[in-house]
Amino acid sequence: AAGVIQSPRHLIKEKRETATLKCYPIPRHDTVYWYQQGPGQDPQFLISFYEKMQSDKGSIPDRFSAQQFSDYHSELNMSSLELGDSALYFCASSLEPGQGYEQYFGPGTRLTVT
Amino acid sequence: AQSVTQLDSQVPVFEEAPVELRCNYSSSVSVYLFWYVQYPNQGLQLLLKYLSGSTLVKGINGFEAEFNKSQTSFHLRKPSVHISDTAEYFCAVRGNTGNQFYFGTGTSLTVIP
Repeated sequence: AAGVIQSPRHLIKEKRETATLKCYPIPRHDTVYWYQQGPGQDPQFLISFYEKMQSDKGSIPDRFSAQQFSDYHSELNMSSLELGDSALYFCASSLEPGQGYEQYFGPGTRLTVT
Repeated sequence: AQSVTQLDSQVPVFEEAPVELRCNYSSSVSVYLFWYVQYPNQGLQLLLKYLSGSTLVKGINGFEAEFNKSQTSFHLRKPSVHISDTAEYFCAVRGNTGNQFYFGTGTSLTVIP
């Protein structure tokens, strides 16, 4: 079965650079979520989109922005990168945010900021 | 708002022994509960979920969990673990409004040969 695709899988950037992470949800899934998992930490919710509109917002820094496109893929744009942004970034997708639908997670993008 | 507490950060257990990973949640609304497993350098994989109905939920790889509303718990159990169960386990909760998941801090299960 098709899964959530994230690209790139690994990314190395320097401080103050920008980065763009991409997420391709499971076909027919219209909701996308972004999470940040720091070393040894639990995933922290950043932001979600439903039908190309922001549906929920978590602890996403102002330096980050995201959007969902007409084909339902999503991009997380990160600017003025800091060392503390080094983390594993997960994208998850689900059917419309109805009752109890689980989120299917991608393999993650490991961002290293040097 | 919802929150999740996983009381045990690390659980070592011998192969073929039973294991219980504890999860407690707090919420002012009805919740949906999930357990995810994360193998090294991989994404999160759903083990099982509780939405409604029977409080005993069976998942993949022989895991099961029991929803206890009075104790606000959703502990994960397996009667006999294998080496391949060594991984990080996350309990997550989602309220019946909004679609945000709240994760616990994870429990690292290490199965000892």
